[in-house]
Amino acid sequence: QVQLQESGPGLVKASQTLSLTCTVSGGSISSGDYYWGWVRQHPGKGLEWLGYMYYSGSTYYSPSLKSRLIISRDTSKNQFSLRLSSVTAADTAVYYCGRFKNNVVEFWGQGTLVTVSS
Amino acid sequence: DIQMTQSPSTLSASVGDRVTITCRASQSIGSWLAWYQQKPGKAPKLLVYKASNLESGVPSRFSGGGSGTEFTLTISGLQPDDFATYFCQQYNTYLTFGGGTRVEIK
Repeated sequence: QVQLQESGPGLVKASQTLSLTCTVSGGSISSGDYYWGWVRQHPGKGLEWLGYMYYSGSTYYSPSLKSRLIISRDTSKNQFSLRLSSVTAADTAVYYCGRFKNNVVEFWGQGTLVTVSS
Repeated sequence: DIQMTQSPSTLSASVGDRVTITCRASQSIGSWLAWYQQKPGKAPKLLVYKASNLESGVPSRFSGGGSGTEFTLTISGLQPDDFATYFCQQYNTYLTFGGGTRVEIK
């Protein structure tokens, strides 16, 4: 069974860069026909896809965040990461990492709340 | 951008009821639609993919239907564990989610 766990600071200052890491167990991020990526949920609101990385390393981003978002990976640690630059209060959300198959999220991390402070 | 609109936003029902949630896409998405269930403080759980395919392990009282721009998720015989929020997600063009439907106890 694949398991994912987000980690990173819970508080980020406005204008700085939000960085999160997702550690995967029970499956390799560099094999299989899967994408590994991020979804966020603003407090009390709906879900927003941010982007993902194919097992081959190709990345795909939401058009609305493309200019601020980088998804990368460390295959030796079986981890992938998110970096979102120039954050504002609008980036305050619960961030989930997940494994995507055929563009649906099969497995989710438990989520981590990131608050952007001024 | 493809917008996904769910209705109703809140649904009050009793155990044993048959409930239907609707999701409408701003343009045709074929059958590229998924449904998720989310409970408070938890990550969403995949229920249905490609409009009508039940994910492994999901009870058969859940069913999905529709194509093009209108889709439904039906729960036949609501169980106590089903009180939750449900989201649709299109994956025809990028990925976008609906605003959610909260199913609450009547």
